Amino acid sequence: GQQLNQSPQSMFIQEGEDVSMNCTSSSIFNTWLWYKQDPGEGPVLLIALYKAGELTSNGRLTAQFGITRKDSFLNISASIPSDVGIYFCAGHSGGSNYKLTFGKGTLLTVNP
Amino acid sequence: EAGVAQSPRYKIIEKRQSVAFWCNPISGHATLYWYQQILGQGPKLLIQFQNNGVVDDSQLPKDRFSAERLKGVDSTLKIQPAKLEDSAVYLCASSNSYNSPLHFGNGTRLTVT
Repeated sequence: GQQLNQSPQSMFIQEGEDVSMNCTSSSIFNTWLWYKQDPGEGPVLLIALYKAGELTSNGRLTAQFGITRKDSFLNISASIPSDVGIYFCAGHSGGSNYKLTFGKGTLLTVNP
Repeated sequence: EAGVAQSPRYKIIEKRQSVAFWCNPISGHATLYWYQQILGQGPKLLIQFQNNGVVDDSQLPKDRFSAERLKGVDSTLKIQPAKLEDSAVYLCASSNSYNSPLHFGNGTRLTVT
Protein backbone atom coordinates (compact mmCIF):
# COMPACT_ATOMS: atom_id res chain seq x y z
CA GLY A 1 0.00 0.00 0.00
CA GLN A 2 0.89 3.65 -0.15
CA GLN A 3 3.24 4.95 2.47
CA LEU A 4 4.04 8.43 3.65
CA ASN A 5 7.38 9.24 5.22
CA GLN A 6 7.08 12.19 7.52
CA SER A 7 10.07 13.94 9.03
CA PRO A 8 11.32 14.84 11.46
CA GLN A 9 9.72 12.47 13.92
CA SER A 10 9.99 15.10 16.67
CA MET A 11 11.20 18.66 17.13
CA PHE A 12 12.11 20.61 20.21
CA ILE A 13 12.36 24.36 19.60
CA GLN A 14 12.34 27.70 21.35
CA GLU A 15 9.38 30.04 21.19
CA GLY A 16 9.75 32.43 18.27
CA GLU A 17 11.68 30.03 16.05
CA ASP A 18 10.47 28.91 12.65
CA VAL A 19 9.69 25.25 12.03
CA SER A 20 9.68 23.14 8.91
CA MET A 21 8.46 19.57 8.44
CA ASN A 22 7.87 17.50 5.33
CA CYS A 23 6.28 14.46 3.90
CA THR A 24 7.30 12.27 0.99
CA SER A 25 5.38 9.56 -0.75
CA SER A 26 6.29 6.55 -2.82
CA SER A 27 3.43 7.39 -5.18
CA ILE A 28 1.64 10.41 -6.60
CA PHE A 29 -1.06 12.16 -4.63
CA ASN A 30 -3.80 14.46 -5.93
CA THR A 31 -4.43 16.11 -2.57
CA TRP A 32 -2.22 16.86 0.39
CA LEU A 33 -3.61 17.77 3.78
CA TRP A 34 -1.96 18.87 6.99
CA TYR A 35 -3.62 18.16 10.35
CA LYS A 36 -2.73 19.01 13.93
CA GLN A 37 -3.67 16.77 16.84
CA ASP A 38 -3.68 17.93 20.45
CA PRO A 39 -3.60 15.37 23.30
CA GLY A 40 -6.94 13.67 23.78
CA GLU A 41 -8.48 15.23 20.69
CA GLY A 42 -9.01 14.31 17.09
CA PRO A 43 -6.92 15.74 14.24
CA VAL A 44 -7.92 19.22 13.09
CA LEU A 45 -7.43 20.28 9.49
CA LEU A 46 -4.88 23.09 9.07
CA ILE A 47 -4.32 23.37 5.33
CA ALA A 48 -5.55 21.55 2.22
CA LEU A 49 -3.61 21.54 -1.06
CA TYR A 50 -5.16 20.45 -4.33
CA LYS A 51 -2.71 21.35 -7.08
CA ALA A 52 0.95 20.59 -7.77
CA GLY A 53 3.07 23.61 -6.91
CA GLU A 54 0.31 25.20 -4.83
CA LEU A 55 1.50 27.32 -1.91
CA THR A 56 -1.15 28.07 0.72
CA SER A 57 -1.00 30.00 3.97
CA ASN A 58 -3.17 29.94 7.07
CA GLY A 59 -1.93 32.58 9.48
CA ARG A 60 1.59 31.64 10.52
CA LEU A 61 1.34 28.32 8.67
CA THR A 62 2.43 27.83 5.07
CA ALA A 63 2.25 24.58 3.14
CA GLN A 64 3.25 23.59 -0.35
CA PHE A 65 2.21 20.81 -2.70
CA GLY A 66 5.40 19.53 -4.35
CA ILE A 67 5.81 19.77 -8.11
CA THR A 68 6.41 16.03 -8.39
CA ARG A 69 3.14 15.44 -6.45
CA LYS A 70 5.07 13.09 -4.20
CA ASP A 71 5.90 15.52 -1.42
CA SER A 72 4.65 18.39 0.69
CA PHE A 73 6.04 20.58 3.41
CA LEU A 74 4.60 22.64 6.25
CA ASN A 75 6.27 25.69 7.73
CA ILE A 76 5.31 27.39 10.97
CA SER A 77 6.73 30.85 11.50
CA ALA A 78 7.39 32.52 14.85
CA SER A 79 6.27 29.52 16.90
CA ILE A 80 4.27 30.00 20.10
CA PRO A 81 3.60 27.59 22.98
CA SER A 82 0.15 26.65 21.67
CA ASP A 83 1.75 25.24 18.51
CA VAL A 84 2.69 22.22 20.61
CA GLY A 85 1.12 19.04 19.27
CA ILE A 86 1.46 16.34 16.66
CA TYR A 87 1.34 17.39 13.02
CA PHE A 88 0.21 14.86 10.45
CA CYS A 89 0.42 14.98 6.71
CA ALA A 90 -2.17 13.05 4.73
CA GLY A 91 -2.51 12.34 1.06
CA HIS A 92 -5.25 11.27 -1.29
CA SER A 93 -4.41 9.64 -4.60
CA GLY A 94 -7.76 10.06 -6.25
CA GLY A 95 -10.54 7.67 -7.02
CA SER A 96 -14.18 7.52 -6.13
CA ASN A 97 -13.55 7.04 -2.43
CA TYR A 98 -11.66 9.62 -0.39
CA LYS A 99 -9.17 7.29 1.20
CA LEU A 100 -6.53 9.26 3.06
CA THR A 101 -3.11 7.87 3.87
CA PHE A 102 -1.56 9.46 6.96
CA GLY A 103 2.05 9.95 7.91
CA LYS A 104 3.26 8.93 11.36
CA GLY A 105 3.32 12.51 12.58
CA THR A 106 5.82 15.09 13.82
CA LEU A 107 5.72 15.84 17.53
CA LEU A 108 6.44 19.53 18.08
CA THR A 109 7.48 20.84 21.47
CA VAL A 110 7.89 24.60 21.97
CA ASN A 111 9.88 25.92 24.90
CA PRO A 112 8.49 29.22 26.20
CA GLU B 1 -21.84 23.91 13.54
CA ALA B 2 -21.62 21.04 15.98
CA GLY B 3 -18.68 18.75 15.45
CA VAL B 4 -18.44 14.98 15.17
CA ALA B 5 -19.62 13.41 18.42
CA GLN B 6 -18.22 10.15 19.73
CA SER B 7 -18.87 8.09 22.82
CA PRO B 8 -17.62 6.80 25.11
CA ARG B 9 -14.39 8.80 25.48
CA TYR B 10 -12.63 5.95 27.26
CA LYS B 11 -13.18 2.22 27.56
CA ILE B 12 -11.21 -0.44 29.37
CA ILE B 13 -12.05 -4.09 28.72
CA GLU B 14 -10.45 -7.47 29.08
CA LYS B 15 -9.33 -9.44 26.08
CA ARG B 16 -12.04 -11.58 24.51
CA GLN B 17 -14.75 -9.17 25.68
CA SER B 18 -16.80 -7.16 23.23
CA VAL B 19 -17.08 -3.38 22.91
CA ALA B 20 -19.03 -0.90 20.83
CA PHE B 21 -18.35 2.70 19.88
CA TRP B 22 -20.85 5.25 18.67
CA CYS B 23 -20.45 8.17 16.28
CA ASN B 24 -22.76 11.00 15.26
CA PRO B 25 -21.34 12.90 12.27
CA ILE B 26 -21.77 16.55 11.42
CA SER B 27 -25.31 17.18 10.25
CA GLY B 28 -25.66 16.69 6.52
CA HIS B 29 -22.36 14.89 6.05
CA ALA B 30 -22.97 11.90 3.82
CA THR B 31 -19.55 10.31 4.18
CA LEU B 32 -18.46 8.73 7.45
CA TYR B 33 -15.15 7.10 8.32
CA TRP B 34 -13.80 5.01 11.17
CA TYR B 35 -10.05 5.23 11.77
CA GLN B 36 -7.82 3.34 14.18
CA GLN B 37 -4.90 5.26 15.68
CA ILE B 38 -2.32 3.21 17.53
CA LEU B 39 -0.06 5.15 19.87
CA GLY B 40 2.74 6.88 17.98
CA GLN B 41 1.19 6.37 14.56
CA GLY B 42 -1.09 8.18 12.18
CA PRO B 43 -4.73 7.20 11.78
CA LYS B 44 -5.45 4.13 9.67
CA LEU B 45 -8.74 3.80 7.81
CA LEU B 46 -10.92 0.90 8.92
CA ILE B 47 -14.13 1.56 7.02
CA GLN B 48 -15.78 4.26 4.94
CA PHE B 49 -19.52 4.76 4.47
CA GLN B 50 -21.29 6.80 1.85
CA ASN B 51 -24.76 7.36 3.33
CA ASN B 52 -25.57 3.90 4.67
CA GLY B 53 -23.51 1.94 2.15
CA VAL B 54 -19.95 0.69 2.62
CA VAL B 55 -17.44 2.22 0.19
CA ASP B 56 -14.23 0.73 1.54
CA ASP B 57 -13.72 -1.84 4.28
CA SER B 58 -10.56 -3.40 2.89
CA GLN B 59 -8.59 -2.80 6.09
CA LEU B 60 -11.29 -3.83 8.53
CA PRO B 61 -10.48 -7.11 10.34
CA LYS B 62 -13.84 -8.60 9.54
CA ASP B 63 -13.38 -11.66 11.73
CA ARG B 64 -13.74 -9.44 14.80
CA PHE B 65 -14.71 -5.93 13.71
CA SER B 66 -18.08 -4.87 12.37
CA ALA B 67 -19.62 -1.51 11.63
CA GLU B 68 -22.99 -0.24 10.54
CA ARG B 69 -24.58 3.02 9.64
CA LEU B 70 -28.30 2.55 9.74
CA LYS B 71 -30.38 5.34 8.20
CA GLY B 72 -27.21 6.99 6.90
CA VAL B 73 -26.55 9.10 10.02
CA ASP B 74 -25.17 7.60 13.22
CA SER B 75 -22.71 4.75 13.11
CA THR B 76 -21.49 2.07 15.48
CA LEU B 77 -18.23 0.16 15.40
CA LYS B 78 -18.02 -3.14 17.28
CA ILE B 79 -15.16 -5.38 18.25
CA GLN B 80 -15.90 -8.93 19.30
CA PRO B 81 -13.80 -10.50 20.72
CA ALA B 82 -11.18 -7.88 21.52
CA LYS B 83 -7.47 -8.60 21.43
CA LEU B 84 -4.62 -6.82 23.19
CA GLU B 85 -3.45 -5.30 19.90
CA ASP B 86 -6.82 -3.56 19.50
CA SER B 87 -5.76 -1.05 22.14
CA ALA B 88 -5.88 2.25 20.27
CA VAL B 89 -7.87 5.42 19.76
CA TYR B 90 -10.83 4.91 17.45
CA LEU B 91 -11.60 8.06 15.52
CA CYS B 92 -14.75 8.82 13.62
CA ALA B 93 -14.68 11.42 10.84
CA SER B 94 -17.19 12.81 8.41
CA SER B 95 -17.21 14.91 5.27
CA ASN B 96 -19.96 16.50 3.23
CA SER B 97 -18.90 14.83 0.00
CA TYR B 98 -16.57 12.08 -1.06
CA ASN B 99 -13.72 14.44 -1.98
CA SER B 100 -14.00 16.97 0.85
CA PRO B 101 -11.60 17.19 3.80
CA LEU B 102 -12.44 15.13 6.86
CA HIS B 103 -13.64 16.49 10.18
CA PHE B 104 -12.66 14.26 13.10
CA GLY B 105 -14.28 13.57 16.44
CA ASN B 106 -12.21 13.38 19.63
CA GLY B 107 -12.10 9.62 19.53
CA THR B 108 -12.60 6.73 21.93
CA ARG B 109 -9.51 5.50 23.70
CA LEU B 110 -9.74 1.72 24.07
CA THR B 111 -7.50 -0.21 26.42
CA VAL B 112 -7.61 -4.00 26.24
CA THR B 113 -6.04 -5.76 29.22
